[in-house]
Amino acid sequence: QLVLTQSPSASASLGASVKLTCTLSSGHSGYTIAWHQQQAEKGPRYLMKVNSDGSHTKGDGIPDRFSGSSSGAERYLTISSLQSEDEADYYCQTWGTGRVFGGGTKLTVL
Amino acid sequence: EVQLVESGGGLVQPGGSLRLSCAASGFIFSTYSMNWVRQAPGKGLEWVSYISSSSSTIYYTNSVKGRFTISRDNAKNSLYLQMNSLRAEDTGVYYCARESWMDVWGQGTTVTVSS
Repeated sequence: QLVLTQSPSASASLGASVKLTCTLSSGHSGYTIAWHQQQAEKGPRYLMKVNSDGSHTKGDGIPDRFSGSSSGAERYLTISSLQSEDEADYYCQTWGTGRVFGGGTKLTVL
Repeated sequence: EVQLVESGGGLVQPGGSLRLSCAASGFIFSTYSMNWVRQAPGKGLEWVSYISSSSSTIYYTNSVKGRFTISRDNAKNSLYLQMNSLRAEDTGVYYCARESWMDVWGQGTTVTVSS
């Protein structure tokens, strides 16, 4: 079964960097995933796709501070030079027969 | 400007029906697959249904199979979700999203199932 696992929470200081992790279930390490950001009281926003080889394709207007990478069954979202507006929920998502979301990571900017 | 705008949400009693719509603009709607995604209050995102560009392939999450029907009208640049036999657990904000990787999202429409 295709499952995405995310840590429920993460925190980092203003101006620092943070790396969020999304883990694909066993047997699905070759899947591409997408990262989405949801700020408080807003709808989701597409950030990027991350392929199994680590290449990524960002959405329009997504700052260079956001980048993606991969290692095995793990897909990463790295945010550098953290800003207050980066405080949000971050969801990974993938697709096969259906579509699957991870449980989301709540990022707090200290 | 690429845009998706949902409508049709509201308050409905358990067992009732609603039809959600999603109006697309700024891109060639007929060439893209589409999804419905929902979010219960205080919870994470949950995928609901998918339809391919030509409507030839349709998927549903297990909890809505037999109750919800996804459809589209490419001539009207519109996506729909017919929701029947609604339950309290269907309450939430419903979003439409473009393509398998959901690169464009609407602002959402709120569905409340309550007596």
